[in-house]
Amino acid sequence: GEDVEQSLFLSVREGDSSVINCTYTDSSSTYLYWYKQEPGAGLQLLTYIFSNMDMKQDQRLTVLLNKKDKHLSLRIADTQTGDSAIYFCAVPPGNDYKLSFGAGTTVTVRA
Amino acid sequence: EAEVAQSPRYKITEKSQAVAFWCDPISGHATLYWYRQILGQGPELLVQFQDESVVDDSQLPKDRFSAERLKGVDSTLKIQPAELGDSAMYLCASSLGQGVYEQYFGPGTRLTVT
Repeated sequence: GEDVEQSLFLSVREGDSSVINCTYTDSSSTYLYWYKQEPGAGLQLLTYIFSNMDMKQDQRLTVLLNKKDKHLSLRIADTQTGDSAIYFCAVPPGNDYKLSFGAGTTVTVRA
Repeated sequence: EAEVAQSPRYKITEKSQAVAFWCDPISGHATLYWYRQILGQGPELLVQFQDESVVDDSQLPKDRFSAERLKGVDSTLKIQPAELGDSAMYLCASSLGQGVYEQYFGPGTRLTVT
C-alpha cells in the first residue's frame, strides 16, 4: 500500500507562514489531497492538486508538488488562530480509489 | 450546504457489549466509506460501499464488525462484541462515485470502550 509520512508538530506565530510537508511512496497517484481536522470534528477537504501540476494556489493556501521527490507541501500564508488544527495529507495509491492518510501534522498558532 | 450526518456523536460502552453507528451521506453520493481513526493517527478505511454493495472490506475485522447499506443511502456500522482496542473515532465519508476522489466527511462518532 501507499506510505504517507508527515512531520507531527508545527508551531507558528500568528501572521507568519506555515509550511506542512508530506512524502509518499506511490508515484502514480493522480490527485493528492490536504484535509483539516479541528478538535473533536471530522475532516474538512481543504484543497487538492492534480499530479500533472507543480503548484496550485487557493487564497491563502499554496500546494506544491514535486513528483520526482514524491514530496507534497501545503503553505498557509498569514496564519491565523483559526488555522490551529491537524492537517492530513491523503494520497490514493495508483489507480486505487482508497485514500491513504498520513498521521497528521498538528499546527499550533501562537500569538 | 449538504453535509454527511452521523449519530451518535459520542458513545461509551462496556467491553463485550454491542454498539452501532449510523451515517447519512450527502444526497446523491453513491459511494460511502467508514473509517476508523485511532488517536494520533490518520483515518484507516474499514469498508467502502458503492450503492448498496460492498466493494472493499479488506480491513474490516469481520469476526466482530459488520456494515450494511441496505437501500444504498444511509449505512450502519456495528461492533459486537466491543473490545477495549476499539476505542477510536469512527468517521463516515461519501463521494459522488468511486472514480471521484473528493470525499466529504461527517463529524464522526467518538467511541470509548470501558
